[in-house]
Amino acid sequence: DTAVSQTPKYLVTQMGNDKSIKCEQNLGHDTMYWYKQDSKKFLKIMFSYNNKELIINETVPNRFSPKSPDKAHLNLHINSLELGDSAVYFCASSQDWGAYEQYFGPGTRLTVT
Amino acid sequence: AQTVTQSQPEMSVQEAETVTLSCTYDTSESDYYLFWYKQPPSRQMILVIRQEAYKQQNATENRFSVNFQKAAKSFSLKISDSQLGDAAMYFCASGTGANSKLTFGKGITLSVRP
Repeated sequence: DTAVSQTPKYLVTQMGNDKSIKCEQNLGHDTMYWYKQDSKKFLKIMFSYNNKELIINETVPNRFSPKSPDKAHLNLHINSLELGDSAVYFCASSQDWGAYEQYFGPGTRLTVT
Repeated sequence: AQTVTQSQPEMSVQEAETVTLSCTYDTSESDYYLFWYKQPPSRQMILVIRQEAYKQQNATENRFSVNFQKAAKSFSLKISDSQLGDAAMYFCASGTGANSKLTFGKGITLSVRP
């Protein structure tokens, strides 16, 4: 019973392509997030959604567009992929908006060639 | 704005011994929370322990405990009876009630010697 799942786990693609990463949580949480972990392992928030509403957009390029069809899902679509987009992308969820612990998915390693 | 600093990039501990991982933070918020996450080679981010800033008592979770020094803005993680499975990267993070996002430190790589 995976709490937060992401697909795919690995994604290799060429520059200029468009790709999507899907995230689902079965914890009944109201808030979901996308984080990016770069090659130096630094983790940074990209987006957060609460009850399907975008709350945080941390100056991420417009090529990144999150979508939340319902509270259990938060997908990330990336247009015109660039070399610098290569990273591990983590989806996470928390019970509600506020200072609650966040539970992370297994991550998607994106490699842009 | 919040900042989290982990100044030690690597540490090593002998199996069965105790190790302390350091973390300092800075925040202007009064309502904030602190976390330690573990990232083993599988890259899964695993919550280790959580501390509410308003609580004076240090959090404990089995072999893991924290030393929370609010005035010094210090939040260290102590791992007792270290096991081989504790080898991982450990991240300190802070979050606030206001904006719900976590701010992470750069992480520390812990190795455990058998």
